[in-house]
Amino acid sequence: AQKVTQAQTEISVVEKEDVTLDCVYETRDTTYYLFWYKQPPSGELVFLIRRNSFDEQNEISGRYSWNFQKSTSSFNFTITASQVVDSAVYFCALSEADSGYALNFGKGTSLLVTP
Amino acid sequence: DTGVSQDPRHKITKRGQNVTFRCDPISEHNRLYWYRQTLGQGPEFLTYFQNEAQLEKSRLLSDRFSAERPKGSFSTLEIQRTEQGDSAMYLCASSLVSDPGELFFGEGSRLTVL
Repeated sequence: AQKVTQAQTEISVVEKEDVTLDCVYETRDTTYYLFWYKQPPSGELVFLIRRNSFDEQNEISGRYSWNFQKSTSSFNFTITASQVVDSAVYFCALSEADSGYALNFGKGTSLLVTP
Repeated sequence: DTGVSQDPRHKITKRGQNVTFRCDPISEHNRLYWYRQTLGQGPEFLTYFQNEAQLEKSRLLSDRFSAERPKGSFSTLEIQRTEQGDSAMYLCASSLVSDPGELFFGEGSRLTVL
């Protein structure tokens, strides 16, 4: 069984603050992928990052960074110096290699960044 | 526009009626997915195609739901005898086999069953 837990339902920060979105997953497979997607108010889901289970290197892309720790089954997402345009719902997702990469999404974390 | 397009964007129907949604994926993408999303929830996987073959269906997909991708291009999702619980946003996404999980989503088709 797969399960993705995003315990934070809503987060509100003031612009320029750093914010971390938590994601904890469960899987029995040794081969799997983890993802983050962004869903802005306009509604269209946008892919942010993919990580495979064999690559625990953290990744940084501009103001975004991701921390993957297999020991704690977590794949957390940090936004540095948040901006109003970061306001969106962020989804963490898991897929297993033999399931056709059908993504299993968490319930999402709604991030509000205020000026 | 070369993104994923879905039609119609909104559909209001009465319980018991049949509805059909269409999805046109990005042209070079060979995988096509259908998801359903309700308010406050993440998208739930329904089914996916690789070219014209339907390779996986979720247990969520009852017998009233059927999806096709006849020529490996556009896809349709039909819901027969709609129920109020079918009210949701139906999302289509496409991807390349070589980029697993990097899905490009459409804007969705919102279904309201009265």
